[in-house]
Amino acid sequence: EAQVTQNPRYLITVTGKKLTVTCSQNMNHEYMSWYRQDPGLGLRQIYYSMNVEVTDKGDVPEGYKVSRKEKRNFPLILESPSPNQTSLYFCASSLWDSGYGEQFFGPGTRLTVL
Amino acid sequence: KNEVEQSPQNLTAQEGEFITINCSYSVGISALHWLQQHPGGGIVSLFMLSSGKKKHGRLIATINIQEKHSSLHITASHPRDSAVYICAVRGGGADGLTFGKGTHLIIQP
Repeated sequence: EAQVTQNPRYLITVTGKKLTVTCSQNMNHEYMSWYRQDPGLGLRQIYYSMNVEVTDKGDVPEGYKVSRKEKRNFPLILESPSPNQTSLYFCASSLWDSGYGEQFFGPGTRLTVL
Repeated sequence: KNEVEQSPQNLTAQEGEFITINCSYSVGISALHWLQQHPGGGIVSLFMLSSGKKKHGRLIATINIQEKHSSLHITASHPRDSAVYICAVRGGGADGLTFGKGTHLIIQP
């Protein structure tokens, strides 16, 4: 089944404790992206990647890191989480195809930073 | 940076009604997406448009590039259509996506 998976789905952590949210897709998509969703602000892009070893900042990259060492995986790293990073996070992937690819979303990761 | 505005923010309608959700953006784009987010939180892609009109079942999406405007229509609405509908645009080249804040739709039986 074609899908985007994220782990963990729920995470409660404390300020400053490094964490990684994994994202994996099995559709051989070039484009992968991370978004956060907050009440009243909607979805905002954190980072995206157009292919292996190619990443770029979205609208809200501060406090986050990403890497794209393999085509299927695009982990989101919070080196020193803070309470303002409490949010619902989505990973998505698509074919690049001149930027017109339909987005496939993961199920979301609800992160709480105390 | 593109500004994406959706209207209405909230919409409650009766089953069977024709629904229209609007999306306007400020800067030229290469593609526009309509997404659906159900109460459980999952997001699915409904349409991706760069021009004209697309139809899938009871859903129709249109885009007017000159007016920088898109509409999502739902015909014969049903309670299972209750969800948040989100418009997102991509600029040219390697730009990321910019999202509207969403339209919360409730269809009452």
